[in-house]
Amino acid sequence: DGGITQSPKYLFRKEGQNVTLSCEQNLNHDAMYWYRQDPGQGLRLIYYSQIVNDFQKGDIAEGYSVSREKKESFPLTVTSAQKNPTAFYLCASSPRFGQSQPQHFGDGTRLSIL
Amino acid sequence: DAKTTQPPSMDCAEGRAANLPCNHSTISGNEYVYWYRQIHSQGPQYIIHGLKNNETNEMASLIITEDRKSSTLILPHATLRDTAVYYCIVNRDSNYQLIWGAGTKLIIKP
Repeated sequence: DGGITQSPKYLFRKEGQNVTLSCEQNLNHDAMYWYRQDPGQGLRLIYYSQIVNDFQKGDIAEGYSVSREKKESFPLTVTSAQKNPTAFYLCASSPRFGQSQPQHFGDGTRLSIL
Repeated sequence: DAKTTQPPSMDCAEGRAANLPCNHSTISGNEYVYWYRQIHSQGPQYIIHGLKNNETNEMASLIITEDRKSSTLILPHATLRDTAVYYCIVNRDSNYQLIWGAGTKLIIKP
């Protein structure tokens, strides 16, 4: 089945450590997105990519980095500069980048600090 | 950025229609209204979206008022599996990005 796969489902980070969250899609979508969700709140955009080899900062990009070397992959690195990384991280994709493009989501990665 | 306002929670009896309201009084002419839902600890699921006209798909109907300042999501025959947080969202005109609020927690009761 086509879809978005995020791994791992749960991730633990030590202080001062960088961690990378994986996001893979086989939907042949051009655009991909990373969101952060804190308890009881809506999603906030971290980074987005309109097409391969392109990405832009979202509303809360500080302390995060991304790459988009392949169409199907959009990994997110949570760096040691992100002082409050504990959250639920969601990856999404849409066929193209634009107004009327519903986003389809993976099942998320829950990151915690040891 | 256009903002949406939703009631924090609602109940609905199983088998009845669930009507979820949303206010978006500052929406601009080319901003779409989207509805998603999220079951606990899962990724959001796309339901429906629209610009001006009412829309219907296999999951739900979206009714948008003529002035576009509010909308209603209708789940025609609610089941227990429809219990979730429902988000009404408009996309930011400048970069098309979705602006998420806290949503409505819908509880379907047997």
